[in-house]
Amino acid sequence: ETGVTQTPRHLVMGMTNKKSLKCEQHLGHNAMYWYKQSAKKPLELMFVYSLEERVENNSVPSRFSPECPNSSHLFLHLHTLQPEDSALYLCASSQDGQGSYNEQFFGPGTRLTVL
Amino acid sequence: GQNIDQPTEMTATEGAIVQINCTYQTSGFNGLFWYQQHAGEAPTFLSYNVLDGLEEKGRFSSFLSRSKGYSYLLLKELQMKDSASYLCAVMDSNYQLIWGAGTKLIIKP
Repeated sequence: ETGVTQTPRHLVMGMTNKKSLKCEQHLGHNAMYWYKQSAKKPLELMFVYSLEERVENNSVPSRFSPECPNSSHLFLHLHTLQPEDSALYLCASSQDGQGSYNEQFFGPGTRLTVL
Repeated sequence: GQNIDQPTEMTATEGAIVQINCTYQTSGFNGLFWYQQHAGEAPTFLSYNVLDGLEEKGRFSSFLSRSKGYSYLLLKELQMKDSASYLCAVMDSNYQLIWGAGTKLIIKP
C-alpha cells in the first residue's frame, strides 16, 4: 500500500449506531488531519494531529471522537450522528503540522450516509 | 472572517485554454495551493505559490498576486481527463489551510 488509505470507502449508519473510520498513511509523515467535505461547500477541517498529539479541534461536536495511536494511523469514532453529518470524510497527512510549505496528501475518503 | 472565492462551475472545450480564478481574504498569508479532485477520488496537489508571479508546470500554470489577493490556475490543451473540481486553498498566518468550495470544470468534446 502506498500513500494514504481509508476504510471503509462507503458507510451507511443509523443515528443510534457506533462506527469508526480508519486512516493509514504510508508516507512517514508526522501530521494527520480529518476533513469533512459536503457538496458545494469548502473543506472543513475537523481535527489535526501532530506527532500523535491533537493540536487542532475546530469546534467539532462531541459525537465525533478522534484517536491517533501512532503517527501512521488515525481513527474517527462516530456515535449518535445526525442526518446532516452525511458527507465525505477525508483524511490527509503532511510532513509536519506547521511550516510555510506543507503539502497535504489525501486519502480517497469515506462516503458516510446517516439515516 | 476568512474567505476564499472561486466560480462554482465552468465549461470549456477539449483542446482549448481555461482560467480558473480564486480571490482570497485571509488573516496573513503563507502560500496558496491548487488541488485537483476527480469525482469520488482524493484531492491531489497541483501547485503552490508563495511569491508573486507565474509558476508553470507542463499544461498547468498558476499565478499569484498577493497585493490583489488573487490567483488563477491556467489549463492549456484541455483533455477530457481534466474534467474535475479544482480547489483553491490559502495557508493563513497560523499555517492553517483555508479552502474554497471548488470549481467544477466540465470539458466538452
